[in-house]
Amino acid sequence: GAVVSQHPSWVICKSGTSVKIECRSLDFQATTMFWYRQFPKQSLMLMATSNEGSKATYEQGVEKDKFLINHASLTLSTLTVTSAHPEDSSFYICSARDSYTAGEQFFGPGTRLTVL
Amino acid sequence: GQNIDQPTEMTATEGAIVQINCTYQTSGFNGLFWYQQHAGEAPTFLSYNVLDGLEEKGRFSSFLSRSKGYSYLLLKELQMKDSASYLCAAFLSYNAGNMLTFGGGTRLMVKP
Repeated sequence: GAVVSQHPSWVICKSGTSVKIECRSLDFQATTMFWYRQFPKQSLMLMATSNEGSKATYEQGVEKDKFLINHASLTLSTLTVTSAHPEDSSFYICSARDSYTAGEQFFGPGTRLTVL
Repeated sequence: GQNIDQPTEMTATEGAIVQINCTYQTSGFNGLFWYQQHAGEAPTFLSYNVLDGLEEKGRFSSFLSRSKGYSYLLLKELQMKDSASYLCAAFLSYNAGNMLTFGGGTRLMVKP
């Protein structure tokens, strides 16, 4: 089946630093990738939709200047949390949709971010 | 707006059957996904219903009624490892493409 990887799996950083999270589709091309955030005991909240070769579409309430998304190729999207603060500590999950099929999204394993 | 509702928590006994309901009021509805998520892990795909009716896959079955905006996930012969959160998600079309919108998730606890 389709595999999506994320790197790093977990990261701890000091407040004020920037953290980059990579999302890769390993065996398929993904025109569209999605970034979600999940706080403890809550469901996934869509942050933004990342389209290869164009600007990401952000959901209401998500600061595009704080959460920078780059989707430079059909297999890689990156999310950079700039000037991270403790309230940004969360589980960040990406998903990718196969360019050639409709429907199912494949989820990455997630990245646990802890900002001290 | 898009609303997807499911119970917050459920408890069931090992070996029993449990039904997790999901209701939705959305626009641009294409189909409904069910995912299982263990704590600290990403969701894993369970089922995708596009047409009305019941789809069975081993111990898990999923039902959809588009006219009623209703779906359920049925888990049979419950095992301890089934303790997890179960997320229903509507697959929606909008101007810029397609997207998944998740319900709040149902935390299922299976007791011996």
